[in-house]
Amino acid sequence: GNSVTQMEGPVTLSEEAFLTINCTYTATGYPSLFWYVQYPGEGLQLLLKATKADDKGSNKGFEATYRKETTSFHLEKGSVQVSDSAVYFCATQPSNTGKLIFGQGTTLQVKP
Amino acid sequence: DADVTQTPRNRITKTGKRIMLECSQTKGHDRMYWYRQDPGLGLRLIYYSFDVKDINKGEISDGYSVSRQAQAKFSLSLESAIPNQTALYFCATGGGGGLRNEQFFGPGTRLTVL
Repeated sequence: GNSVTQMEGPVTLSEEAFLTINCTYTATGYPSLFWYVQYPGEGLQLLLKATKADDKGSNKGFEATYRKETTSFHLEKGSVQVSDSAVYFCATQPSNTGKLIFGQGTTLQVKP
Repeated sequence: DADVTQTPRNRITKTGKRIMLECSQTKGHDRMYWYRQDPGLGLRLIYYSFDVKDINKGEISDGYSVSRQAQAKFSLSLESAIPNQTALYFCATGGGGGLRNEQFFGPGTRLTVL
C-alpha cells in the first residue's frame, strides 16, 4: 500500500546549523511529493512540492529532491533560524487519487 | 481573510453528544477533505468529496459522517462523540485543475470529548 515514513523527532539544532529531515515513501505509479509545515497553533502550509522524478522543490531556503530510485524526498536547509521551529510533514499523493498520505511529522526545535 | 475557515476553533463536549464541525472555503475548489491529527500519527483522512454530489470514506470514517451542502461548505459530524475522538481536526481543499496538486488547509478545530 501507500505510506510515508519520516525520521522521528524532535530534532534540536542550534541556529545556523544544517538541517536534514529524512522522508521515504511507498506508492504505486508516479506520485506527487510534498512537504508541509505546521507552526505552533496553526494549520498546515505547503512548504514545497515535486511532481516527477528528479524534480527539486524549493522555498524559503528549504529544498527537497524527488528521488525515485531511493523512493525518498529528504528535506534540507543550509542554515536554520529560530523561526523555522515547527512540525514538518512529508506527504505523498499517489497518481490520480487526489488524496494525500502523510508521514507522522517531525518536530524541529531551533535554539538561539 | 482566510481562504479556508473552520468553526468552532475549540470545542469541549461530553461523551454521547452530537457534534458538528463546519468548514467553508472561498478558493472555488471542487475537492474538500476532513482529516484528524493525533500526536505521533500525522494526519489521517476521514472523508473527502470531489464535488457537491460526491462523498467518499477515508481511512478512518467509522463514527463520523459528512455533508457537502454546497461547493464551498463541507461539514463533519460526530453522531455520538467518544473520548478517543479527542483530536485536532483539519479541513482542506484541493483544486487547480489536477489531482496532482496540493491541498490547502484550514486553521483546525481542537475537539475534546470528556
